Amino acid sequence: DTGVSQNPRHKITKRGQNVTFRCDPISEHNRLYWYRQTLGQGPEFLTYFQNEAQLEKSRLLSDRFSAERPKGSFSTLEIQRTEQGDSAMYLCASSPGGRVDGYTFGSGTRLTVV
Amino acid sequence: AQSVTQLGSHVSVSEGALVLLRCNYSSSVPPYLFWYVQYPNQGLQLLLKYTSAATLVKGINGFEAEFKKSETSFHLTKPSAHMSDAAEYFCAVSGSNTGNQFYFGTGTSLTVIP
Repeated sequence: DTGVSQNPRHKITKRGQNVTFRCDPISEHNRLYWYRQTLGQGPEFLTYFQNEAQLEKSRLLSDRFSAERPKGSFSTLEIQRTEQGDSAMYLCASSPGGRVDGYTFGSGTRLTVV
Repeated sequence: AQSVTQLGSHVSVSEGALVLLRCNYSSSVPPYLFWYVQYPNQGLQLLLKYTSAATLVKGINGFEAEFKKSETSFHLTKPSAHMSDAAEYFCAVSGSNTGNQFYFGTGTSLTVIP
């Protein structure tokens, strides 16, 4: 068990550019979640996968955001045409079962849009 | 709807003193409650969880929390603070009507004074 791995740890991009983040969950966890955390706030839910199926999406996930988990293993989160308001920590988490299990979080990807 | 309120965005205690971090929840269904800790530039680590078993829950690093339905509270305590406890603490709630997402509070920053 190597934990949840996220890459890159930090990303600085110019406004209008596209960025993609990767998350590798714990291998035996079939549930994967993306959250966004802004300064001074708790994490906010973005989306949830069970295996390769994206089952829930928050309204925070605008049309510029897309997430995939093509083979039910790793996941990617892409932000197109980045805006300064997208600057945040993007957290990935995985869990083996339902909501009673709690999550295992990765260390996050900190995005700064300049 | 589910939500949590963390009273006190900043708490300072002396080393060796009692730690008390407050969390009140709102839930229309029996909740599952969690406490997470976040160190700077890190993801969140699960401290403990309540999932309708014993109301007094013990977690890692000497922390515990008590679920009080009558007070809709799930306060986090530790008898004796250690310098290494300095971090951000988040309370979170989920329930059968929240889908698979957790709702996090805004966090409490704990400072331990030597």
